[in-house]
Amino acid sequence: AQSVTQLGSHVSVSEGALVLLRCNYSSSVPPYLFWYVQYPNQGLQLLLKYTSAATLVKGINGFEAEFKKSETSFHLTKPSAHMSDAAEYFCAVRGGAQKLVFGQGTRLTINP
Amino acid sequence: DVKVTQSSRYLVKRTGEKVFLECVQDMDHENMFWYRQDPGLGLRLIYFSYDVKMKEKGDIPEGYSVSREKKERFSLILESASTNQTSMYLCASSRGTSFSRPLLSSYNEQFFGPGTRLTVL
Repeated sequence: AQSVTQLGSHVSVSEGALVLLRCNYSSSVPPYLFWYVQYPNQGLQLLLKYTSAATLVKGINGFEAEFKKSETSFHLTKPSAHMSDAAEYFCAVRGGAQKLVFGQGTRLTINP
Repeated sequence: DVKVTQSSRYLVKRTGEKVFLECVQDMDHENMFWYRQDPGLGLRLIYFSYDVKMKEKGDIPEGYSVSREKKERFSLILESASTNQTSMYLCASSRGTSFSRPLLSSYNEQFFGPGTRLTVL
């Protein structure tokens, strides 16, 4: 069975600082991995996805993530945080038959 | 752009009431999903459907049922609402595959609606 663990339910960084949101996965098949973002009072929006091509994946809004098979990780990074990045972020792994299995979510706060 | 709409943003119901949550997508997607979102638990799949009149249980189907009579509409039904069903409910849709059953080897992006925050008193 597939599962995802996000380390840290809350992360706080200063504006302009590096953003690092951690995600580890477990999958019995080659994984497809995703990061979604949820802004306040909105649904989820896809940030980026890994589907077995390049291990460094670039997404929208300056975010990127690196797939590391040896560490079973897919951490999300952004070099310089912006106030508009404040949101909840979800890591997900394909759970079979078009389904997704989500992590617990990480709430990102940006301090001015 | 894909648009997934949900009938209500906020809903307040009483214990024991029958509750209908409606979801409509306008991109002719085959797959539709219902999730509930709770703090610290992320999103959990309740039911999904990969075709009209087809449904499969997700991880937490107890206390819920679904209906898909038309391709664009997927309804979530709480037969007798309880306080532990107070939650945010998210609908999503995605394109299907060329086969009657979705293949593990392929994946199409899920697009989400804005959510319905349901409170059961």
